[in-house]
Amino acid sequence: EAQVTQNPRYLITVTGKKLTVTCSQNMNHEYMSWYRQDPGLGLRQIYYSMNVEVTDKGDVPEGYKVSRKEKRNFPLILESPSPNQTSLYFCASSSPGSGDNEQFFGPGTRLTVL
Amino acid sequence: QKEVEQNSGPLSVPEGAIASLNCTYSDRGSQSFFWYRQYSGKSPELIMFIYSNGDKEDGRFTAQLNKASQYVSLLIRDSQPSDSATYLCAVTTGGFKTIFGAGTRLFVKA
Repeated sequence: EAQVTQNPRYLITVTGKKLTVTCSQNMNHEYMSWYRQDPGLGLRQIYYSMNVEVTDKGDVPEGYKVSRKEKRNFPLILESPSPNQTSLYFCASSSPGSGDNEQFFGPGTRLTVL
Repeated sequence: QKEVEQNSGPLSVPEGAIASLNCTYSDRGSQSFFWYRQYSGKSPELIMFIYSNGDKEDGRFTAQLNKASQYVSLLIRDSQPSDSATYLCAVTTGGFKTIFGAGTRLFVKA
């Protein structure tokens, strides 16, 4: 089944404790992206990657890191989480050759930073 | 700051009516326009995409794009209770950098 997976789905942590949210897709997509979703603000792009070893900042990159060492994986790293990073996070992937450039979203990771 | 604006709603329509969802964007360089549907607690899923001025129809859905007015809309004909969701407008300026609107909540009353 074609899908984007994220782990963990739920995470409660404390300020300053480094964490990684994993994202993996099995569709051989070149593009991958991380978003956060907050009430009233919609989805905001954190980082995106157009291929292996190619990443770029979205609109809200502060406090986050990403890496793209393999085509299928795009982990999101919070080196020192703070309460304002409490949010719902989505990973997405797409292929520029698909015509419509539809983004396929993972199920989401709900992060709470205390 | 490039922006995508949507009326947050909620928009309430009776079953069988036409629901009209609107979106404006600020970047004239925007190239691709998308409508995603998001049910509560779920991830977004693509409903329609449009690149060129005019209308694009797919079943009960019609997307309309007016680049001169920087306006894109989604019409849902014969609205069903299962259409009740949040509808997200998304805009890309090329590549994969994407800006989403905050979404419009739609309620279809049976």
